[in-house]
Amino acid sequence: NAGVTQTPKFRILKIGQSMTLQCAQDMNHNYMYWYRQDPGMGLKLIYYSVGAGITDKGEVPNGYNVSRSTTEDFPLRLELAAPSQTSVYFCASRSRVYEQYFGPGTRLTVT
Amino acid sequence: DQQVKQNSPSLSVQEGRISILNCDYTNSMFDYFLWYKKYPAEGPTFLISISSIKDKNEDGRFTVFLNKSAKHLSLHIVPSQPGDSAVYFCAASDGSGTYKYIFGTGTRLKVLA
Repeated sequence: NAGVTQTPKFRILKIGQSMTLQCAQDMNHNYMYWYRQDPGMGLKLIYYSVGAGITDKGEVPNGYNVSRSTTEDFPLRLELAAPSQTSVYFCASRSRVYEQYFGPGTRLTVT
Repeated sequence: DQQVKQNSPSLSVQEGRISILNCDYTNSMFDYFLWYKKYPAEGPTFLISISSIKDKNEDGRFTVFLNKSAKHLSLHIVPSQPGDSAVYFCAASDGSGTYKYIFGTGTRLKVLA
């Protein structure tokens, strides 16, 4: 049982490039989330999903897109990367109870 | 508008003493609160939670207290251990079916040996 996995761990992008951050969970959780954490700040919700085929925006969705074609996977797409998207990205999942399980994070730098 | 606030960015405590981490919130619709612990280069891990129908929840060395009238919760760690040194986040959910959580900015706890 791997829990929540994220790839890659680190990435450097040039301004204007695109990439997909991968997230997978093997706990059969319906709810999945993407957060970003900027230095000295809390976690800000980017997008979330309550099940396959259902996604919705969080607090800071601009510049990102998501899809949820399976229960296990919840990729986050960055189009036209900007320096403001330099951050640490965390994926999380949860079952019907409130506690979320987080992945180890992806550290992204846009230069 | 920061709905969940942790006003102390850092806290240092001697090993064996009590650590008290505080969290304030502004939204009276929040009905479930959680504390997470985060080590460097790792994702947050769930620590303890409390429902708004309770005023206290205890799990081993960790106790969370909720004061709804003051919109304030606190996490007590007794006794504090060096391994407790981490960043602690509080989070809140309004349970209305939005499935979303609002996180505070975190408090860095350092337990001195």
